[in-house]
Amino acid sequence: GQNIDQPTEMTATEGAIVQINCTYQTSGFNGLFWYQQHAGEAPTFLSYNVLDGLEEKGRFSSFLSRSKGYSYLLLKELQMKDSASYLCAVIDSNYQLIWGAGTKLIIKP
Amino acid sequence: DVKVTQSSRYLVKRTGEKVFLECVQDMDHENMFWYRQDPGLGLRLIYFSYDVKMKEKGDIPEGYSVSREKKERFSLILESASTNQTSMYLCASRGSGITGELFFGEGSRLTVL
Repeated sequence: GQNIDQPTEMTATEGAIVQINCTYQTSGFNGLFWYQQHAGEAPTFLSYNVLDGLEEKGRFSSFLSRSKGYSYLLLKELQMKDSASYLCAVIDSNYQLIWGAGTKLIIKP
Repeated sequence: DVKVTQSSRYLVKRTGEKVFLECVQDMDHENMFWYRQDPGLGLRLIYFSYDVKMKEKGDIPEGYSVSREKKERFSLILESASTNQTSMYLCASRGSGITGELFFGEGSRLTVL
């Protein structure tokens, strides 16, 4: 079967750095997304990786290793507004999106 | 500012009632999706549509139907609501690129009593 694994919940301190991991076992791979979802709101796009390596976008970076079936989202200089759920999703060989259950990130002052 | 709008943020219905959830996008997107989101589970695809009047079953279509009569509008129908359909329902749209990002509506939280 197809599977996306993410930690259920993480806690970090304002101003610090946090890394949210995502491992996947899917039938084929055509890219990986990260979305952010604040409580009660719509998920919003953060990043898309299809090649190995690190993509940096301001305070957020996303890394992909296709050989390891692994990605992470790195958040730097954490702010209280970064408290949200972070969703990892993989496009499989049929171009269907497979979603992880999401990681709830709690930021403490 | 691009937008996906869902008709109702919160609904409470009784078992056996018919439920309509509507979704409208203003981005002229070909592809539209209905997901449900439950705690501890990833987003699960109910139905999607890649063109007007076209629909495809997702992973969990049982108990649901959809309608896409106009490009901008995609409706989800629960013919006879049941308590196990209590959930958050998310509509999304995407342009023609298969690997393009999804744009989501804010969700409709349905409670079936």
